[in-house]
Amino acid sequence: QKEVEQDPGPLSVPEGAIVSLNCTYSNSAFQYFMWYRQYSRKGPELLMYTYSSGNKEDGRFTAQVDKSSKYISLFIRDSQPSDSATYLCAMERGSGSRLTFGEGTQLTVNP
Amino acid sequence: GAVVSQHPSWVICKSGTSVKIECRSLDFQATTMFWYRQFPKQSLMLMATSNEGSKATYEQGVEKDKFLINHASLTLSTLTVTSAHPEDSSFYICSAFIPGLTLHNEQFFGPGTRLTVL
Repeated sequence: QKEVEQDPGPLSVPEGAIVSLNCTYSNSAFQYFMWYRQYSRKGPELLMYTYSSGNKEDGRFTAQVDKSSKYISLFIRDSQPSDSATYLCAMERGSGSRLTFGEGTQLTVNP
Repeated sequence: GAVVSQHPSWVICKSGTSVKIECRSLDFQATTMFWYRQFPKQSLMLMATSNEGSKATYEQGVEKDKFLINHASLTLSTLTVTSAHPEDSSFYICSAFIPGLTLHNEQFFGPGTRLTVL
């Protein structure tokens, strides 16, 4: 069983839609949770970083962590074609330690 | 934020040759760098953790004699794929960990190097 599970998609939505991306994990030792965005043939860039259960909002992006259910989500409001990319969830046990990534979900936002 | 560069951005080589990939932390000193491999439509898989001045720590299943890592300075780590074969064709990405740079000690990723072995 993989430590982190993420539906690879692909996911295709119309512009303006609300997008929901999710990951589940099995290791309760994970304490830090991240979402990365990766454009084709580029390195990942950090979008959201959360430490504890709850919600964190940054502009059109909201990250949710439910440690009791071992479930994390990323919501994108008013999605734009420029949001088309692969979104990877990642987790780590301690700050600055090795990251464990999900498979990534490929998102396409159609104009 | 910190910038991490990789060189080359892409490389094509013949089977059996060796290829060196450089990862540089620009403007900041990175005590730790990580090397990842990403196959098409798959996630990033950690290959090794590289600490300046010491031997790299390899993940299970990664051949240390095939993937040579050198972290000679606080701004440069190199990955050499020795005797490359077509199955080594992949996207190689490095990241730099810079303690204290951000509130959450994030890793900064390079743009990646696409290796194609013919």
